[in-house]
Amino acid sequence: QQQVKQSPQSLIVQKGGISIINCAYENTAFDYFPWYQQFPGKGPALLIAIRPDVSEKKEGRFTISFNKSAKQFSLHIMDSQPGDSATYFCAANSGGSNYKLTFGKGTLLTVNP
Amino acid sequence: GAGVSQTPSNKVTEKGKYVELRCDPISGHTALYWYRQSLGQGPEFLIYFQGTGAADDSGLPNDRFFAVRPEGSVSTLKIQRTERGDSAVYLCASSLSGLGGLGTQYFGPGTRLLVL
Repeated sequence: QQQVKQSPQSLIVQKGGISIINCAYENTAFDYFPWYQQFPGKGPALLIAIRPDVSEKKEGRFTISFNKSAKQFSLHIMDSQPGDSATYFCAANSGGSNYKLTFGKGTLLTVNP
Repeated sequence: GAGVSQTPSNKVTEKGKYVELRCDPISGHTALYWYRQSLGQGPEFLIYFQGTGAADDSGLPNDRFFAVRPEGSVSTLKIQRTERGDSAVYLCASSLSGLGGLGTQYFGPGTRLLVL
């Protein structure tokens, strides 16, 4: 059972464009939703995270939009840069599950110069 | 300060052999997690330590997998009688506490295990 579904699997964007990655979750007990960025050969690094008591969080060029009723959240990367090319994972956890992260399958983002 | 470190970075072994993978968490982090990442997939939870004890080992796939954290710092993931299906990147993460929102999980670079 895949508890966090992520789409698209891959995404190609031109420099300066907007990258949008979507995730949907099933477990209503989830209460923390981070996005991780992973470069080849490296471990995942936290990019931005949100709790369900807010509908949007922005940090620089990165924004999370959260829809609790639809059980969906998305990552928007504004003014995408070639250096943003990486794999992005959405994740979710809760205290009831010992805060272990459940990850989506990832989105390979390529930003063309 | 130093981040999470993992050794070895790569491990090639033969089917049936025993391997140990080591994780050095960020100093002072009480919570430690092991995840496994197969090619083209997101990390999957294996085991969670709070201090020295394994608080949740529900993700370990079978009894060939075992992990310890005897002094509440360094952790070792042990795999007995390795199988080709064990080939993956094994990731370790630590956080200041087990609280997901208050304790961001910081990941190490992983150990790439290849079982021939």
